[in-house]
Amino acid sequence: EVQLVESGGGLLQPGGSLRLSCAASGFTFSSYAMSWVRQAPGKGLEWVSAISNSDDTTYYADSVKGRFTVSRDNSKNTLYLQMSSLRAEDTAVYYCAKADSSGFFYAGWGQGTEVTVSS
Amino acid sequence: DIVMTQSPDSLAVSLGERATINCKSSQSVLYSSNNKNYLAWYQQKPGQPPKLLIYWASTRQSGVPDRFSGSGSGTDFTLTITSLQAEDVAVYYCQQYYSTPDTFGQGTKLEIK
Repeated sequence: EVQLVESGGGLLQPGGSLRLSCAASGFTFSSYAMSWVRQAPGKGLEWVSAISNSDDTTYYADSVKGRFTVSRDNSKNTLYLQMSSLRAEDTAVYYCAKADSSGFFYAGWGQGTEVTVSS
Repeated sequence: DIVMTQSPDSLAVSLGERATINCKSSQSVLYSSNNKNYLAWYQQKPGQPPKLLIYWASTRQSGVPDRFSGSGSGTDFTLTITSLQAEDVAVYYCQQYYSTPDTFGQGTKLEIK
């Protein structure tokens, strides 16, 4: 069974930095691309970033490009999202999601970790 | 970016009746080389992550009840729930994965009438 467990969220001030982690189990982590999707309070889903299975290709939403960095450690079965220059509009629940082998749709999701950016 | 627009924003349906949710993409998500529509549907209940219902526009995810079905092609898609059950109350999202960034519709809130 696919298990994804996010951690690292918290409350921080604008301009701050944070690193989110997503520990994966129940599947061969190194074989799958992974994504981060966020959901602001009371809002819909917004794709944030993705990374290929081999770590050689990364993708970012325009809203986070230059501020967020996605990475993975296949030896630790862990996905990361390094977030910097945080803004109030980055406040959201951040989900990690496992992409299917045939396309970027997501059958596996974590429970999410909450990030609040406020002064 | 491909913009996904769902209709309606909210919907109230009686138990046992049919619910229909529409999703329109700003450009085709049909990939001609494999004739597949890069369109998925998700269900999200309060306090839970999204759950994949349908992918490739009409393929039901394992374990999803057969009262859920997806249809459509190109730019226009539909999620149909036949015989609505109380546990189907949720917000439903469509998603295109034809191009990066993959984008979601704004969501449709489904309630019991």
